[in-house]
Amino acid sequence: EVQVVQSGAEVKKPGESLKISCKGSGYYFTKFWIGWVRQKPGKGLEWMGMIYPADSDSRYSPSFQGHVTMSADKSITTAYLQWSSLKASDTAMYYCARRGYDTDGPVGFDVWGQGTMVTVSS
Amino acid sequence: EILMTQSPPTVSVSPGERATLSCRASESVSTNLAWYQQKPGQAPRLLIYGASTRATGIPARFSASGSGTEFTLTISSLQSEDYAVYYCQQYDNWSGTFGQGTKVEI
Repeated sequence: EVQVVQSGAEVKKPGESLKISCKGSGYYFTKFWIGWVRQKPGKGLEWMGMIYPADSDSRYSPSFQGHVTMSADKSITTAYLQWSSLKASDTAMYYCARRGYDTDGPVGFDVWGQGTMVTVSS
Repeated sequence: EILMTQSPPTVSVSPGERATLSCRASESVSTNLAWYQQKPGQAPRLLIYGASTRATGIPARFSASGSGTEFTLTISSLQSEDYAVYYCQQYDNWSGTFGQGTKVEI
């Protein structure tokens, strides 16, 4: 079964660091981009960026560039999203998702993780 | 950055009726456009990609069209399980902005 499974919920204080994970299985992990999507409580989806695990090539949304770092460890088929100094405004659900392909090119995010809830509060 | 605008924010539709949702891009994205369905407490699910191709397992009552900057998602006969929020997403040019969503309610 093709799936991406995310790490569990986190509760952190402002200023703390955090790294959440997204493990792919059932497919060639290095051949598909992994994207990250933020969803604040009661709000819509925001595209944060994506990473290509084969070589860690990354593309960031201008809104998130410099605020988060994406990385990947292809040896354990896992992608990561990390913060060096969290803010209360980072409180949100974070999804990872696989960018699928067919013969004509990309098809959007075809496999989604279950989400990781990050709560930042003093 | 390409901006995606969905309308209306909310649409009220009775079971069995048709729902039509719109999505507009601030510049052309060709047919690099996907639609997703999200129910409360769940991750989004891919419905449509390439502006008009249904993803695996998506019922035929979901159809979509458009290219360039104007796109439409149609649900031909609303079923109870279709009440949800629907998002469009462009994935042109190594980016992937989402629209703000349209809620389909009774």
